Amino acid sequence: GQQLNQSPQSMFIQEGEDVSMNCTSSSIFNTWLWYKQDPGEGPVLLIALYKAGELTSNGRLTAQFGITRKDSFLNISASIPSDVGIYFCAGQSPNAGNMLTFGGGTRLMVKP
Amino acid sequence: DVKVTQSSRYLVKRTGEKVFLECVQDMDHENMFWYRQDPGLGLRLIYFSYDVKMKEKGDIPEGYSVSREKKERFSLILESASTNQTSMYLCASSDHYEQYFGPGTRLTVT
Repeated sequence: GQQLNQSPQSMFIQEGEDVSMNCTSSSIFNTWLWYKQDPGEGPVLLIALYKAGELTSNGRLTAQFGITRKDSFLNISASIPSDVGIYFCAGQSPNAGNMLTFGGGTRLMVKP
Repeated sequence: DVKVTQSSRYLVKRTGEKVFLECVQDMDHENMFWYRQDPGLGLRLIYFSYDVKMKEKGDIPEGYSVSREKKERFSLILESASTNQTSMYLCASSDHYEQYFGPGTRLTVT
């Protein structure tokens, strides 16, 4: 089936630094979603992107839907300790109805 | 806000037991999903349902069944629990593409 390659797998950064992560695919997607999962909890939707080239912000988070429709990026500015968690991308492909394909996740650790 | 609740946060069961995991959503969503999440394997879809009494197999349905008798409730059933079903189980619901997740049930089968 389709695969979403998410990178990096993990990041250990200093508080205050900016963070960037991305997802790529060999297939196109109609929708890109970014989730955050805190330890022991379910994923929470952060940002949804519906159009190629779209750039959307949610506080310190900014995500972009790649022009080729095969990738998406998430940036976090001025990281804080509560940004710790696992970030997942998810894509909805033209043939998949309401199903999503998930990336493997980026584990973010922030050093105060 | 969308709310998805799961009946238990932590569950410990014995091998061979029948296990029921319940999920309830309060947003009148058509679609509901059950995933399991394991380290290194990511989120894997077990079953989903797009309407009451309708169900479709996901990527790993073996050893599981589901029930959707009411729109807001989607149950996952482990007919005879095995140790390889020890995992985090996540329920989600959606109207279109944006899926909203519950807090998860961490199931341990001993």
